[in-house]
Amino acid sequence: DAKTTQPPSMDCAEGRAANLPCNHSTISGNEYVYWYRQIHSQGPQYIIHGLKNNETNEMASLIITEDRKSSTLILPHATLRDTAVYYCIVRVKGNTPLVFGKGTRLSVIA
Amino acid sequence: EPEVTQTPSHQVTQMGQEVILRCVPISNHLYFYWYRQILGQKVEFLVSFYNNEISEKSEIFDDQFSVERPDGSNFTLKIRSTKLEDSAMYFCASSVTSGGPNEQFFGPGTRLTVL
Repeated sequence: DAKTTQPPSMDCAEGRAANLPCNHSTISGNEYVYWYRQIHSQGPQYIIHGLKNNETNEMASLIITEDRKSSTLILPHATLRDTAVYYCIVRVKGNTPLVFGKGTRLSVIA
Repeated sequence: EPEVTQTPSHQVTQMGQEVILRCVPISNHLYFYWYRQILGQKVEFLVSFYNNEISEKSEIFDDQFSVERPDGSNFTLKIRSTKLEDSAMYFCASSVTSGGPNEQFFGPGTRLTVL
C-alpha cells in the first residue's frame, strides 16, 4: 500500500502557483520522496524527487519539511496542460517498484 | 528525446485467448517494468526485469503472466489465457541501473479489452 496521503482533488487558476501537499509520516531515513503525474490516461511522468533538501528543476519545486513527514510540490505558474493526477511516492532510491496511491487530481482553470 | 514505445495502442481479445503486449524501452536502459491500471483505479506494479530475469513481481503477476526480452530491443508481456478482469491499461517502463534519480520512464500504454 502507498505510504502517503494526498487530498483527492484541487483546483488552481491558470498562471497561479499550484501547491500540492503530501503527508508521509512513516517515511524511513533512506526513503526519498518522488512525484509523478498522469495526464488523462497517458503513462505516468516523472517530475522531481528529494531526500531532505528542497529541490527545483524545470518542471517544479519540492519542499520537504525538516522532520520529513510531509512535502509540497509547487508548480510555479500552472497552465491548462498541468491538469493531471499527481502522485507522491515514497521509496528507496534505485530500481524498486513504484507504489502508486490515488494521488491528487489537479484541475487548472482558465 | 528518447521514449518508451508500446504496441499495439489498443488490443481487443476474447476471454481465454493469449495476448502479447510489446514494448521498446529506451535504448541504454537496463531495468524494465510492467504496470497496469484498471479503469478508474490505481496504477499497480506487475513485474520488474533485469539481466534477462525477473527481479521482482507482485501478487497480481501469477502463472498466467510471463515476460520476455526476445531480442536486444523488445520487452514483452504475455497473458496466457485472458480473463475479463485483465481488461486494463498496461504500461511498460524502463530505467537506468545506477546514478541519477532512477526515474522510471513510462510508455503511452496498451489498452487491453477482454470480451
